[in-house]
Amino acid sequence: IQMTQSPSSLSSSIGDRVIITCRASQTVTTFLNWYQVRPGKAPELLIHSASSLHNGVPSRFAGSGFGTQFTLIINNLQPEDFATYYCQQAFSTPWTFGQGTKVDIK
Amino acid sequence: QVRLRESGPGLLKPSETLSLTCEVSGVSIADSFWNWIRQTPGGALEWIGYSEDGGLPNYNPSLQSRVTISHDTPNNRVSLNLRSVTATDTAIYYCTRRASDYDYYFDSWGQGILVTVSS
Repeated sequence: IQMTQSPSSLSSSIGDRVIITCRASQTVTTFLNWYQVRPGKAPELLIHSASSLHNGVPSRFAGSGFGTQFTLIINNLQPEDFATYYCQQAFSTPWTFGQGTKVDIK
Repeated sequence: QVRLRESGPGLLKPSETLSLTCEVSGVSIADSFWNWIRQTPGGALEWIGYSEDGGLPNYNPSLQSRVTISHDTPNNRVSLNLRSVTATDTAIYYCTRRASDYDYYFDSWGQGILVTVSS
C-alpha cells in the first residue's frame, strides 16, 4: 500500500495551525498512525488508529480520517513541534510510511 | 518505562553482513513484538520486519531474502542481521516495539544507529 503525504514541507510560525494530509493507495480503514521524527532523537508515536492520541502526547495534536484520506492537525504550533511527520499504514504488511512532511520555522 | 538502545558497527563494506543488537529494558522481550525500521539518507522510512518470541517472523518482501530478526530472551535483546549489504542499505536503523497483537502501531523507539556501507 502506497502512502502519499502533502505537503512535503511547510514553513510556519509559533502559534500557527498546521494541517498535513496523508492518502493511501487503497483503504486502510483506521489502521493509520502518525509519528514525529526529530534529528538525533527517538521518533515518537503521536496518533494511532487514525484519531487516538497516544499517551502523553499534547492535545494540540489531532488526527482524523477513514479509508484512504487522513489528516494530522497541529494547533498552536510550539518550538518543539518543528520536526518531520510521517503517516504509516498498519492495515497490511509490509507496513508502509508516507514520505514525510517537514515542518520548519518561517 | 520501555527503553530501547541499538548498537553495532557503524561502517561496513559492500557484501558484508550488518549485525545490530537492540537492548531492551523496562519490559520482557517475550511480551511484545519487536520491529526494525530504517530511515534512508533521503528521509524515507522503511519497515524491515518483526519477530515475536516463539512465533514466526514477518519480513518486508523487499528484504526477506537477506534479513533475519532473532531474540536473545535471557539477555532481553533483539538482533537484526542483514546479509550482502550494498550502499543502498546505508540508513539509520531503529529498533521499535509493537506492544501486542492487538496494537498496530510502534509505541516505543530507540534513538537509532547510523550504518554506512562504503568501500
